[in-house]
Amino acid sequence: GAGVSQSPRYKVAKRGQDVALRCDPISGHVSLFWYQQALGQGPEFLTYFQNEAQLDKSGLPSDRFFAERPEGSVSTLKIQRTQQEDSAVYLCAIKDSSGANVLTFGAGSRLTVL
Amino acid sequence: QQQVKQSPQSLIVQKGGISIINCAYENTAFDYFPWYQQFPGKGPALLIAIRPDVSEKKEGRFTISFNKSAKQFSLHIMDSQPGDSATYFCAVLPGFGGYNKLIFGAGTRLAVHP
Repeated sequence: GAGVSQSPRYKVAKRGQDVALRCDPISGHVSLFWYQQALGQGPEFLTYFQNEAQLDKSGLPSDRFFAERPEGSVSTLKIQRTQQEDSAVYLCAIKDSSGANVLTFGAGSRLTVL
Repeated sequence: QQQVKQSPQSLIVQKGGISIINCAYENTAFDYFPWYQQFPGKGPALLIAIRPDVSEKKEGRFTISFNKSAKQFSLHIMDSQPGDSATYFCAVLPGFGGYNKLIFGAGTRLAVHP
């Protein structure tokens, strides 16, 4: 989406490596979400930030997953000791200022763990 | 537990035909029902959405029909075009929590043949 830039777009990691995925909202947004989309599936909620506060991390699959947003703008999703089941597209979304319930998604970061 | 069941998994329609995608949900505490459209390599984008106080909403060629008693809602694409070929996701939003923790269906891959 035009409001969210994600990098890298593609990441290949060997099993056991750590990866960091970046989400950069183009303009300041209070609410920021991370979703995981496995191949052929719908997005699944991972975590939610309101400014720099991580208010909900109930969707993070394991303690190998960690997200932060230290200054309330750019967010990083870190996955430690990657496993093959971590292979997915990781989507960042912001709450659109034009509508109360509209989420604007970035293009995602496709992670492949070999 | 799967809270949103979407069908069919895939759909082939001839140009000019009607595409119909269905969703069923299990929890009555949802109060917002959007449909998202996703093209390959892109993030999902909001297509159309409905609240449970209306039974139908139309925007151009796209219509949502909502049946609260049956806990079902569907997307109808009239005069389907090849450019509509994409994956469509229904979603639901819990009516509590105060933020947009959308729950998505598994998706329907639509192919519109010329």
